[in-house]
Amino acid sequence: DADVTQTPRNRITKTGKRIMLECSQTKGHDRMYWYRQDPGLGLRLIYYSFDVKDINKGEISDGYSVSRQAQAKFSLSLESAIPNQTALYFCATSAMTSGGTGELFFGEGSRLTVL
Amino acid sequence: AQSVSQHNHHVILSEAASLELGCNYSYGGTVNLFWYVQYPGQHLQLLLKYFSGDPLVKGIKGFEAEFIKSKFSFNLRKPSVQWSDTAEYFCAVLKYSGGGADGLTFGKGTHLIIQP
Repeated sequence: DADVTQTPRNRITKTGKRIMLECSQTKGHDRMYWYRQDPGLGLRLIYYSFDVKDINKGEISDGYSVSRQAQAKFSLSLESAIPNQTALYFCATSAMTSGGTGELFFGEGSRLTVL
Repeated sequence: AQSVSQHNHHVILSEAASLELGCNYSYGGTVNLFWYVQYPGQHLQLLLKYFSGDPLVKGIKGFEAEFIKSKFSFNLRKPSVQWSDTAEYFCAVLKYSGGGADGLTFGKGTHLIIQP
């Protein structure tokens, strides 16, 4: 089983709909992240969380919200989806405690299409 | 704001050619440096990382990278590429500030195509 699991893996939705992407991890890491990947733009950070009570905006947080329900779960919501949010979304984890180097461990990705 | 620059967006090589992908970053403090690879249809996987010690680091699949602090660079190299190296390659930087370390900042990626 994957250490970082994202659901759904693929989703097609319509403009204005609310969408939630979920991420769970079994690595025991304290930090979790949501990135989006667009062709030619690389990965851009949407939100990150250093623990359950610590949520931080990333480079492109507008139009998104997150919830850290537990150390192992971090969900991303699009309250009212728009077409330019069509992208590949990745959840990632890292451990900075216990001598961690900040290496990210990625989920398989969630491909979202907004029509 | 910190940035990570990958100079080549698309690279096409023949099998057995040597590879060097450039990466420069703009932050002057302490950093950890990473190269990730994304094979077609897959998620990102770590190729190699530098966080201290020998500036020449070796990773999986014959890749290596050299951290040159004076040039703010962390170029990726492989002496002889294979068709299976066709993928997207991302350089990433983790910077340390007074409050600790933030998330990784990624370059825009280099799409590498190896022709048989």
